[in-house]
Amino acid sequence: GIQVEQSPPDLILQEGANSTLRCNFSDSVNNLQWFHQNPWGQLINLFYIPSGTKQNGRLSATTVATERYSLLYISSSQTTDSGVYFCAVHSGGSNYKLTFGKGTLLTVNP
Amino acid sequence: SQTIHQWPATLVQPVGSPLSLECTVEGTSNPNLYWYRQAAGRGLQLLFYSVGIGQISSEVPQNLSASRPQDRQFILSSKKLLLSDSGFYLCAWVLSGTQYFGPGTRLTVL
Repeated sequence: GIQVEQSPPDLILQEGANSTLRCNFSDSVNNLQWFHQNPWGQLINLFYIPSGTKQNGRLSATTVATERYSLLYISSSQTTDSGVYFCAVHSGGSNYKLTFGKGTLLTVNP
Repeated sequence: SQTIHQWPATLVQPVGSPLSLECTVEGTSNPNLYWYRQAAGRGLQLLFYSVGIGQISSEVPQNLSASRPQDRQFILSSKKLLLSDSGFYLCAWVLSGTQYFGPGTRLTVL
């Protein structure tokens, strides 16, 4: 099956810093989603981005499908950005099954 | 609007006891539904998915089973819990190709 690799596995930032999280996938995909898991465990949708670039406030994401990677940018980080960021892909079929990466644990210190 | 509910929020059960976790969706009909488990650490593992009433696909051989008795209800069960069944259980559904997650149930098996 498709493989999803995220890097870095852990990232520590000072408040106000910028960061880039990467997601590589091993095959073509129909769908790619970025999620943020907050300290209470809730998985929050950030982006649905099978290709192209999207922005939502301080967050933006770019997927280059032909090169099989996606990037999540966080600018001017805040302590509330802390948590685990997951990339997940769907490689086809009407079942919409997602394969998740192992995540990036982001810690933003005040 | 569509919402997804899970209960209970937390559960502590002895080894060998039965399990029933419930997930319900509001505001949609005939959704694809999914059960994931997140063990200690970060990865999410797809356990079961369902594309309709009575239709269950299992992704991983294990001590658990799933059922979909109604269109918007998805139940995760076990006859006898193992220590290894501890984890965070998440239900999800799909809207326009995007998966959305419920709040999760944190299960501890002692």
